[in-house]
Amino acid sequence: KAGVTQTPRYLIKTRGQQVTLSCSPISGHRSVSWYQQTPGQGLQFLFEYFSETQRNKGNFPGRFSGRQFSNSRSEMNVSTLELGDSALYLCASSSLTGATGNTIYFGEGSWLTVV
Amino acid sequence: DQQVKQNSPSLSVQEGRISILNCDYTNSMFDYFLWYKKYPAEGPTFLISISSIKDKNEDGRFTVFLNKSAKHLSLHIVPSQPGDSAVYFCAARGTGANSKLTFGKGITLSVRP
Repeated sequence: KAGVTQTPRYLIKTRGQQVTLSCSPISGHRSVSWYQQTPGQGLQFLFEYFSETQRNKGNFPGRFSGRQFSNSRSEMNVSTLELGDSALYLCASSSLTGATGNTIYFGEGSWLTVV
Repeated sequence: DQQVKQNSPSLSVQEGRISILNCDYTNSMFDYFLWYKKYPAEGPTFLISISSIKDKNEDGRFTVFLNKSAKHLSLHIVPSQPGDSAVYFCAARGTGANSKLTFGKGITLSVRP
């Protein structure tokens, strides 16, 4: 079955703009989470959604937001972009939320460059 | 506070030999541990996992060992192959508020032909 699909794969934005990234989870998966990867900070958790509800949130400013639709697809939005937001944004899906033994599968990521 | 630590940034081994990648954690609420392999510009690929009720899990050339008392886990790759060269991330999760994946910084494995 198809894996986690993220769009767009690459994008360049200007400081102050906003960006929306999209994620389609593995069919049947209802939990979607987002992670940011930067060279200095590694992989850091942004937030998790399950059945259209945010279940968990990382330590990121309010400029980072997300949502999940009834078909489990998810979007994340970053407003007022800063240079430090340049990163690989990864979406991951799993069948359950918060359950031990529940493997999380990642998409290819969206490379965001802020200039 | 880094709750998952991969203290060695890199490891180089000869093809055919064993690769041992180590990981330490501090949060006693973690009860499920995963290893991911990652190539540049790609998302992490799930390799193998282990629950805290076990001390070993094996899948082909990959074996993960968990020592709960030491809060230490390791990934063994035997035999190592050049295609195994990548960055390996250790990740841990618990339940509820700890259900998000917490990653280590990663270790770059190079397998020499």
